[in-house]
Amino acid sequence: QKEVEQDPGPLSVPEGAIVSLNCTYSNSAFQYFMWYRQYSRKGPELLMYTYSSGNKEDGRFTAQVDKSSKYISLFIRDSQPSDSATYLCAMSVGAGGTSYGKLTFGQGTILTVHP
Amino acid sequence: GAGVSQSPSNKVTEKGKDVELRCDPISGHTALYWYRQRLGQGLEFLIYFQGNSAPDKSGLPSDRFSAERTGESVSTLTIQRTQQEDSAVYLCASSVDLGGRTPLQFFGPGTRLTVL
Repeated sequence: QKEVEQDPGPLSVPEGAIVSLNCTYSNSAFQYFMWYRQYSRKGPELLMYTYSSGNKEDGRFTAQVDKSSKYISLFIRDSQPSDSATYLCAMSVGAGGTSYGKLTFGQGTILTVHP
Repeated sequence: GAGVSQSPSNKVTEKGKDVELRCDPISGHTALYWYRQRLGQGLEFLIYFQGNSAPDKSGLPSDRFSAERTGESVSTLTIQRTQQEDSAVYLCASSVDLGGRTPLQFFGPGTRLTVL
């Protein structure tokens, strides 16, 4: 079993739709949770960064973390064709933990937003 | 250039040859990471350098893989006797120390390695 499982998709939605992307994990030591966006043939770009449980909003993007369920989500409101990319969740342990700073990634979800 | 740079962007090699991949981190970033991304997969951690500490090599898949970093600058990832399963995009990231919080990693564009 992988430490981080991500809904593989692919997802295809119309412009303006609300998109929900999800990951589950098994390592209870994970404390930092990130979402990266990766365009084709580019490196991942950090979108959202959260610590522990709760919600964080940035424009059209909302990240949710539920540590009790070991479940994280990224919501995209009013999706745009420019949001079409692969979305990767990533996690790491806190300071003092082994492999501090190392990220463990989900396998990515390909999202297509069509006009 | 403010971002992480990697070279070459593409590398095609024959099975059994050695390859060397280069990463230039963002100036002032103390930590540097190498990841591998196979087609349609997430990123797989390979190795992590933090300042003058011993590197975390726990993700290197075999002894054919090695990496070096000079101080807080350039790093090279070397793959000896390449195999077809080594074909992947190799990504480098760098970060600053945020004083106890997990660092934000900024990625380069990657090197696409194809082993024939």
